[in-house]
Amino acid sequence: GAGVSQSPSNKVTEKGKDVELRCDPISGHTALYWYRQSLGQGLEFLIYFQGNSAPDKSGLPSDRFSAERTGGSVSTLTIQRTQQEDSAVYLCASSSARTSGGEIDTQYFGPGTRLTVL
Amino acid sequence: AQSVAQPEDQVNVAEGNPLTVKCTYSVSGNPYLFWYVQYPNRGLQFLLKYITGDNLVKGSYGFEAEFNKSQTSFHLKKPSALVSDSALYFCAVRRRGSQGNLIFGKGTKLSVKP
Repeated sequence: GAGVSQSPSNKVTEKGKDVELRCDPISGHTALYWYRQSLGQGLEFLIYFQGNSAPDKSGLPSDRFSAERTGGSVSTLTIQRTQQEDSAVYLCASSSARTSGGEIDTQYFGPGTRLTVL
Repeated sequence: AQSVAQPEDQVNVAEGNPLTVKCTYSVSGNPYLFWYVQYPNRGLQFLLKYITGDNLVKGSYGFEAEFNKSQTSFHLKKPSALVSDSALYFCAVRRRGSQGNLIFGKGTKLSVKP
């Protein structure tokens, strides 16, 4: 079946502009995660959704970052007033959170959005 | 603090030789353990996971990993490396009982030469 998709694949923006990054999780997956991958910081967790709620947003680096999820499906990560240090690859993952057998399910990742802030 | 260490930035192996990519962790309790692989300009692909049970876990593409509780390690192995295995490998953990995020190591670049 279809995997996690993200759009755009690449985004170049000017410092100070707002950007929106989109994630379409695997159909039926209730859990959705945003991570950021940068050269200096490796892979960092940003925010986790269960359904439309975000029980853990502890990884958001500043109040310029926000995310929402609607209909238990698509999620949008918004970065306001972008800064050069926001340049990174933003990865989205989804999982069913728990299988019918109770086992912790696997997080499956999308291809990422490469954000470049000039 | 919870952390994952991948002590080698790069591992070089000749094709056909066995490979090992090391991972140790510092997480309270008995965590869930994962390995992912990333090819250039691609997202992360799941390789295998340890939840409970047998310490030797078999995964995709002939990879396996051995969980060692006393050494808090979860090394990735493959008996015979392929050039196509060249990629970036990430070890990750998640606290047992947690519904949340993975904690990743910094990644190890595997280079397999013909």
